[in-house]
Amino acid sequence: DAGITQSPRHKVTETGTPVTLRCHQTENHRYMYWYRQDPGHGLRLIHYSYGVKDTDKGEVSDGYSVSRSKTEDFLLTLESATSSQTSVYFCAISEGGTGGEKLFFGSGTQLSVL
Amino acid sequence: GDSVTQMEGPVTLSEEAFLTINCTYTATGYPSLFWYVQYPGEGLQLLLKATKADDKGSNKGFEATYRKETTSFHLEKGSVQVSDSAVYFCALSSNGAGNMLTFGGGTRLMVKP
Repeated sequence: DAGITQSPRHKVTETGTPVTLRCHQTENHRYMYWYRQDPGHGLRLIHYSYGVKDTDKGEVSDGYSVSRSKTEDFLLTLESATSSQTSVYFCAISEGGTGGEKLFFGSGTQLSVL
Repeated sequence: GDSVTQMEGPVTLSEEAFLTINCTYTATGYPSLFWYVQYPGEGLQLLLKATKADDKGSNKGFEATYRKETTSFHLEKGSVQVSDSAVYFCALSSNGAGNMLTFGGGTRLMVKP
């Protein structure tokens, strides 16, 4: 199994509060991704990173920010959580970034915003 | 933009039945195509992939062929087992910087003994 750890595994929070999810990898892979999983939508890309301090937006980035200060850590922040951000969040990593490479996924974080 | 459409589930089969899960895609250029599987409570795992037209990906008895003419990548297995019960996702990545995946909505497979 790829060394990817997501924390926390479960979180319940209230509308309007900031929330930070952490993804930690031990593989030294360059590319890291945050996806959210919702019924009927599959997984949708929120943000991704192609190196330390290098990040870019994905399909559903509104309301989210990310930071990558070290190769091994990729943080996802919900600046002011809303009920529409209740979802399962998955971190993924990839060694390469040219297309066709395998992604390794973490076990997910279940976030409930009340 | 890129998109992936796969059949809605759940798909319920008896053990040893034949499985087909349909997947079609829309993309510019020549994407790579993937099937990922998600077992209950876990993250996604790569099941198989194909990176160019007419390639066949295969793994654990599952297979899928990259059909450019029909923009399809249907997943098949000749004889399913109870342990194959999971959610299956078809995905593509357009070759280029980032290796980002576009996923279909997922198809839940339930196999009964």
